[in-house]
Amino acid sequence: TQLLEQSPQFLSIQEGENLTVYCNSSSVFSSLQWYRQEPGEGPVLLVTVVTGGEVKKLKRLTFQFGDARKDSSLHITAAQPGDTGLYLCAGEGGTSYGKLTFGQGTILTVHP
Amino acid sequence: NAGVMQNPRHLVRRRGQEARLRCSPMKGHSHVYWYRQLPEEGLKFMVYLQKENIIDESGMPKERFSAEFPKEGPSILRIQQVVRGDSAAYFCASSLLPGQGAREQYFGPGTRLTVT
Repeated sequence: TQLLEQSPQFLSIQEGENLTVYCNSSSVFSSLQWYRQEPGEGPVLLVTVVTGGEVKKLKRLTFQFGDARKDSSLHITAAQPGDTGLYLCAGEGGTSYGKLTFGQGTILTVHP
Repeated sequence: NAGVMQNPRHLVRRRGQEARLRCSPMKGHSHVYWYRQLPEEGLKFMVYLQKENIIDESGMPKERFSAEFPKEGPSILRIQQVVRGDSAAYFCASSLLPGQGAREQYFGPGTRLTVT
């Protein structure tokens, strides 16, 4: 069974601070996807990383895939209240073709 | 371009009734996935379907749950004789043909099932 450990579970910070969310596994994934979910809505895809060591930037968000494709991180620079939400990492591939294995999620609250 | 559509958005059923959840994938997507999000828990995979085929149902409970994706029409997740423990948000996702590279999945807004 593939597992993704996501940390921290909760994060409460002030506007302007930086933060990092981590996703770790003992399994190798073909790709890793990061989502953001608002209350009452479905997850919205932010980015997909495929290559070990890959770094992708989306405005103030930086996503990294570990060299061994077992872990990933999401770094937000100068967080804003609009960044508040649930962030989810999800791994695909390896022994689980097609289906996504999700981390537990990180609930981020950015205070103005 | 329309995204993944799910209906109904909210569904209330009494114990013992049947629940039918519908999902229309994004245009051009032929692969559908169903996930369940229980209160205080993360998203869990249930089933992966291609048109007229079940590819992976390893996450489906053995009894009362079934899924289909017919040649024409939406994918259906069916729960027979619902129990209170079935109360959850059910999400559908779709992707293009899987192949080399990442198979990005796009999610619908979900169906919130409440069993009374």
